[in-house]
Amino acid sequence: ETGVTQTPRHLVMGMTNKKSLKCEQHLGHNAMYWYKQSAKKPLELMFVYNFKEQTENNSVPSRFSPECPNSSHLFLHLHTLQPEDSALYLCASSQDRLSGNTIYFGEGSWLTVV
Amino acid sequence: GEDVEQSLFLSVREGDSSVINCTYTDSSSTYLYWYKQEPGAGLQLLTYIFSNMDMKQDQRLTVLLNKKDKHLSLRIADTQTGDSAIYFCAESLRDYKLSFGAGTTVTVRA
Repeated sequence: ETGVTQTPRHLVMGMTNKKSLKCEQHLGHNAMYWYKQSAKKPLELMFVYNFKEQTENNSVPSRFSPECPNSSHLFLHLHTLQPEDSALYLCASSQDRLSGNTIYFGEGSWLTVV
Repeated sequence: GEDVEQSLFLSVREGDSSVINCTYTDSSSTYLYWYKQEPGAGLQLLTYIFSNMDMKQDQRLTVLLNKKDKHLSLRIADTQTGDSAIYFCAESLRDYKLSFGAGTTVTVRA
């Protein structure tokens, strides 16, 4: 149990579907992140929220839309995705953006776009 | 290009020591991390070292940091089959960003 919970663990969606990934952290942290992990590529930072405010959008296509309603929850809304978007999406949290950067990850959501 | 580099594969016999190496580029990194990812799972923080330290030991894990060469290593003593996983080295960049290597796949053979 890492304190960061992601649902669903596995998702298969068509290119015209709309779905969402959910992340919840139970660590009392104030910063939350979405990372994308593709095969044979380094982890890519997608979005960062600090105290519910988006502080980083790492040139992510608009078909990925994050939402952070409070410091404990983070969503990634998905629509009109492409097959190359199939990957493991990892949520993470840390105390805040200036606290020494120890980041804790969830188990990830495996996304397959067909 | 990638800021953090690791060898992609390591095969080790059960009971031997494993050493995973990593080089990084940002000399201002304050923390350096090792994460472990088992098949089908997310990233698990294994250990980290503050940049003013040379070594950190935590049970079977030993982290060595050579700041001059920007080289980080993770040694796993008495490697077990449960240590088979992908190990990611990461450096902290400005503020909260982490830069990850591509991961080293460690295979433990009997």
